[in-house]
Amino acid sequence: KQEVTQIPAALSVPEGENLVLNCSFTDSAIYNLQWFRQDPGKGLTSLLLIQSSQREQTSGRLNASLDKSSGRSTLYIAASQPGDSATYLCAVSTGGFKTIFGAGTRLFVKA
Amino acid sequence: SQTIHQWPATLVQPVGSPLSLECTVEGTSNPNLYWYRQAAGRGLQLLFYSVGIGQISSEVPQNLSASRPQDRQFILSSKKLLLSDSGFYLCAWSVGRGLVLNTEAFFGQGTRLTVV
Repeated sequence: KQEVTQIPAALSVPEGENLVLNCSFTDSAIYNLQWFRQDPGKGLTSLLLIQSSQREQTSGRLNASLDKSSGRSTLYIAASQPGDSATYLCAVSTGGFKTIFGAGTRLFVKA
Repeated sequence: SQTIHQWPATLVQPVGSPLSLECTVEGTSNPNLYWYRQAAGRGLQLLFYSVGIGQISSEVPQNLSASRPQDRQFILSSKKLLLSDSGFYLCAWSVGRGLVLNTEAFFGQGTRLTVV
């Protein structure tokens, strides 16, 4: 059974710091991995999608990597800003229509 | 461009009352549609998915049902709400490609349901 774990559960950093969010999954047989951002009381916004054949994806200050063999993905945020404060969720698609989500990392960037 | 609408944003309902949450997608045809529930501090749980009109698959047994009366409309319902139905409900869509799910998922803004 696929399980997705995100560490840390919460993170507080000063503005300008580079940071890494971690996501691990137990079954390496995945179709893709997606990182989302969720603001309080809001829906999810897709940030990056990594196909199973890819190693990383980049969008602006965000870089996501995928290591299927070790069951890990990281989301790197460069030069963090207060506007980056949100909960970040990772999700893996394992075939059929099953997408398994982690519980998220709540990020707070202090001005 | 594609957009997804979900309403209402918040809802307070008494135990035993019926429920109807609606989700519509614009700008795409034959999408795969999903209903998720998010409990506080936990990941999203897939409740239902649909690959076409009238085609509904349920992931977990529960007090809820889903229907897809039109290609881009997905409805989550209950005949009698329970306290345990409280939560944050999210609708999502992805490009329909049969059983190969290799595409991005896009989410609505969610409905906060409180059953009292």
